[in-house]
Amino acid sequence: EDQVTQSPEALRLQEGESSSLNCSYTVSGLRGLFWYRQDPGKGPEFLFTLYSAGEEKEKERLKATLTKKESFLHITAPKPEDSATYLCAVQDRDSSYKLIFGSGTRLLVRP
Amino acid sequence: DTAVSQTPKYLVTQMGNDKSIKCEQNLGHDTMYWYKQDSKKFLKIMFSYNNKELIINETVPNRFSPKSPDKAHLNLHINSLELGDSAVYFCASSPLPQGGSEQYFGPGTRLTVT
Repeated sequence: EDQVTQSPEALRLQEGESSSLNCSYTVSGLRGLFWYRQDPGKGPEFLFTLYSAGEEKEKERLKATLTKKESFLHITAPKPEDSATYLCAVQDRDSSYKLIFGSGTRLLVRP
Repeated sequence: DTAVSQTPKYLVTQMGNDKSIKCEQNLGHDTMYWYKQDSKKFLKIMFSYNNKELIINETVPNRFSPKSPDKAHLNLHINSLELGDSAVYFCASSPLPQGGSEQYFGPGTRLTVT
């Protein structure tokens, strides 16, 4: 059964303190791994799609990487506006329409 | 320009009532979805339609019935509401009928059943 586990559950950083969020996954065949950002009271906002091990994507202070078993979302010199819940999701080749989500990492960046 | 919109934003109702949530996307996508986010923030797929055809129907009670009048709209009707139906419901859409494409989410509808 497809499974996505995110860690840590919550993370507090000082502004400028870089860190990484982890997403471990189990799928029979990965079609894609997705990162989303969700602010309180809003819908998830798409960040990145990664398709194969070794792939990397960057957007401003965020960089997503992918291996065969996990993905990392690296946050470099975060700012308070980066505070949000970050969600990871996978798409299995056998059920290609579905996204299987992890429970997310709540990030708080303090000024 | 709202890409995926849902109405209402909040819905408070009593057990046993029937209610509907509407979703519209102006992105020109062929595939639309309904997700449920519970109190622990897990997002779980409920249904998916591709060009008005049902393609995903997860283990959801029969009280939940999606309807897609056209490919830009996907509504969710819920009969005989129960306390456990309280959650945030998200509509989403994606550009490709096959997998591998990102999904764009609406703002959510917070349903509270009392």
